[in-house]
Amino acid sequence: GENVEQHPSTLSVQEGDSAVIKCTYSDSASNYFPWYKQELGKGPQLIIDIRSNVGEKKDQRIAVTLNKTAKHFSLHITETQPEDSAVYFCAASIKNYGGSQGNLIFGKGTKLSVKP
Amino acid sequence: ETGVTQTPRHLVMGMTNKKSLKCEQHLGHNAMYWYKQSAKKPLELMFVYSLEERVENNSVPSRFSPECPNSSHLFLHLHTLQPEDSALYLCASSQDATSYNEQFFGPGTRLTVL
Repeated sequence: GENVEQHPSTLSVQEGDSAVIKCTYSDSASNYFPWYKQELGKGPQLIIDIRSNVGEKKDQRIAVTLNKTAKHFSLHITETQPEDSAVYFCAASIKNYGGSQGNLIFGKGTKLSVKP
Repeated sequence: ETGVTQTPRHLVMGMTNKKSLKCEQHLGHNAMYWYKQSAKKPLELMFVYSLEERVENNSVPSRFSPECPNSSHLFLHLHTLQPEDSALYLCASSQDATSYNEQFFGPGTRLTVL
């Protein structure tokens, strides 16, 4: 079945450094790739997403890149801050009951720790 | 706050108990979801409701029974659970169940089955 692989499972960086998290997906029909951040005691929250017709998207310190040919997408966080510490999940869309790409399949998550 | 609330936040139950989880969204969305989050595993989609109609049931055991009385409320009724059902249960909503829709998650209910 469809799956999403996410690496690394844990990542520790110094404040101010960059962090990169990578995901691969299996379903070539996937066309929507969101990234979620989950802080302790909270549900996942969308931080950035990208559609298959775009190769890169940036929002301040966060950027996402997509390589559809290789079925890879990555999250880049620059100038990391302690408040970036959280678990990050990538996801890819998959077909739902109606045939549209309305469901999401998630990676296992990356626990990012930013040390002051 | 995301506009999605869940109660209770924590629940401990025995294998013979019956309990219910509640989710409410204040976003005017038409689709609602139940996910199971276990340690070191991806979020698992359990059920999807679109306009109060169940449209997905991802091979979930019958001891989990969802209910969606209206587009703002979603319940997960639990009975005769097993210890391996202990997990964080997350509710989410989106504008509708089609592509490109951001899913807004609640804080989850931490369930422990003894």
